[in-house]
Amino acid sequence: GAVVSQHPSWVICKSGTSVKIECRSLDFQATTMFWYRQFPKQSLMLMATSNEGSKATYEQGVEKDKFLINHASLTLSTLTVTSAHPEDSSFYICSGHRSTDTQYFGPGTRLTVL
Amino acid sequence: QKEVEQNSGPLSVPEGAIASLNCTYSDRVSQSFFWYRQYSGKSPELIMSIYSNGDKEDGRFTAQLNKASQYVSLLIRDSQPSDSATYLCAVRSGNEKLTFGTGTRLTIIP
Repeated sequence: GAVVSQHPSWVICKSGTSVKIECRSLDFQATTMFWYRQFPKQSLMLMATSNEGSKATYEQGVEKDKFLINHASLTLSTLTVTSAHPEDSSFYICSGHRSTDTQYFGPGTRLTVL
Repeated sequence: QKEVEQNSGPLSVPEGAIASLNCTYSDRVSQSFFWYRQYSGKSPELIMSIYSNGDKEDGRFTAQLNKASQYVSLLIRDSQPSDSATYLCAVRSGNEKLTFGTGTRLTIIP
């Protein structure tokens, strides 16, 4: 399968600060990237769909001004959690989609906001 | 609203037996179906994809799809302790977005 990387793998930050998470497709060009959030013992919840060169499409209930997504190239998308609060602590996972109809997930980033 | 339903389990299966995981979906126009395996603290890993009615086999894994019944399943033969994980069913309808079930936690008992 294809390889998607995320950086950092984990991050601890103070409440009120911003955190940027990078998602890279290493061996394919991802026309679309997705950002998910997963709370303990729950399933993946889609936050937004990111297409290269255009604005992200956010799911209902996800604040676009709080979760800033930039998809500058076919291999890189970033998610910035602005003014993070403890309730934003979660496992953030990106996935890259290529023309074969399959999504490949990154290893995830565990965010803890103190 | 599109829904994907799974039995949350936990499902316990003796080592060497067949584990059967089930999933139903509500959107009749769904086109693509996926099974992901997720170990605790890790991200999902694609196990199988299936697009047409019938069975699809890959090693010890068999995916079964019945679009008329809106039902997809995953069979794991000769279950191993390393198969213990949460299995997520995902469905794609028309656009690129996946809708995930809540997952079934599978435990293989040595």
